[in-house]
Formats: sequence, structure tokens, C-alpha cells
Amino acid sequence: KNEVEQSPQNLTAQEGEFITINCSYSVGISALHWLQQHPGGGIVSLFMLSSGKKKHGRLIATINIQEKHSSLHITASHPRDSAVYICAVSDGSGATNKLIFGTGTLLAVQP
Amino acid sequence: EPEVTQTPSHQVTQMGQEVILRCVPISNHLYFYWYRQILGQKVEFLVSFYNNEISEKSEIFDDQFSVERPDGSNFTLKIRSTKLEDSAMYFCASSPDRDTEAFFGQGTRLTVV
Repeated sequence: KNEVEQSPQNLTAQEGEFITINCSYSVGISALHWLQQHPGGGIVSLFMLSSGKKKHGRLIATINIQEKHSSLHITASHPRDSAVYICAVSDGSGATNKLIFGTGTLLAVQP
Repeated sequence: EPEVTQTPSHQVTQMGQEVILRCVPISNHLYFYWYRQILGQKVEFLVSFYNNEISEKSEIFDDQFSVERPDGSNFTLKIRSTKLEDSAMYFCASSPDRDTEAFFGQGTRLTVV
């Protein structure tokens, strides 16, 4: 069974700061997902990656398969980035692509 | 932009009652999922559904739970005889194929009193 760990659990940053959130997992995966959850609960997929690096706007996600580790970076952070960021993995073994979630990182960006 | 729609957004029910949580996945999607998140805890997988049948289910998904795709558009989660510990946010998700990222609905907050 895959264990997904995130750090830090809570993060407070000043507007403009560069932010890094880390994720590690215990067993080989087919893909790793980064998701965002705003107050009120809705979940939005940010990235799905199985190798290397992806960039979307101010967000960058990287993964190191050998080390079983991924990072989510936010450049030039803004108060609207405040949310819970969740790492989740899929192992590709089942008939469908169920996700195993980490506990999330609560990010607060202060103006 | 197409989206996954869940209704109701909030449901309060008495312990022991049956509830049906409804989801309308994105129209050309073929894989459907239910997840739940108990307050303060991580999101947990409940069940996945493909080709009109359950593909995988977690140990949480016991005989109290059932899923159905009754009319080709809705995807429902039924909880029979609700318990206090069923109180959680329930998320529906869908994807067009097995290996593509899923789109999540806004969730239904279920409160069992």
C-alpha cells in the first residue's frame, strides 16, 4: 500500500515569495498528481506527471522517480494562491486510475 | 468549460436514513469515481466505475454503499442507514480514459445527525 507524505503541513508566506511543497511516496507509481483545494472544498487538478517537470503559469511541478519524490513550486506567490495543495499518486495496477492522497499542505500567502 | 456537477451541495440527514448523492460527470467521460473526505482528514478513495460496473472499491465501501449510473448521465452514490461517521465531504470525479487526470466536482457535504 502506498503511503504519501507531504511537507510542510502548514506554510505561511509573504506575497512574492518562492514556495516549495514536497511530496514523497513509498511504492512505485504510474503517475503523481498535484491538486488544489480551496475553502468550501472543491478540488482542482493542477498537474499529472510521471517524469521530469511540468510548468503552468507560476506553478512548476517536478518528480524524481528514483527518489520517489516530487515538489510543487509557486513563483511570485500571491494571496489568491492560498489554498490546500494535495499530492496524490496512482499506481496503475487496477482497472481504473484511483488516487491515493496525501494529507495536504495548507498554504497562506499574506499581502 | 465542461465540469462535473454534484447535488446537493449540502445534505443533512438523520442517523439511519438513506441518502442519495448525485453527480453528473462530463458527458464524454467513461471512468467515474467517488471519494470522501472526513473533516480534517485526507481524501479517501471509495469506488470506481467503468463500463456500467464497479471496477474497484476500497474497504470503506461496504454493503452500506452502492453506486449506480441509472440513465447514462447521472452517477449516484447511495448510503443506506447512515451513521454519524458517514459525515464527510463526498467528491465525484470523472475522466475520459483510465490514464488521464480526473475532473472533480465541488463536493456534497453530508452531515448525519
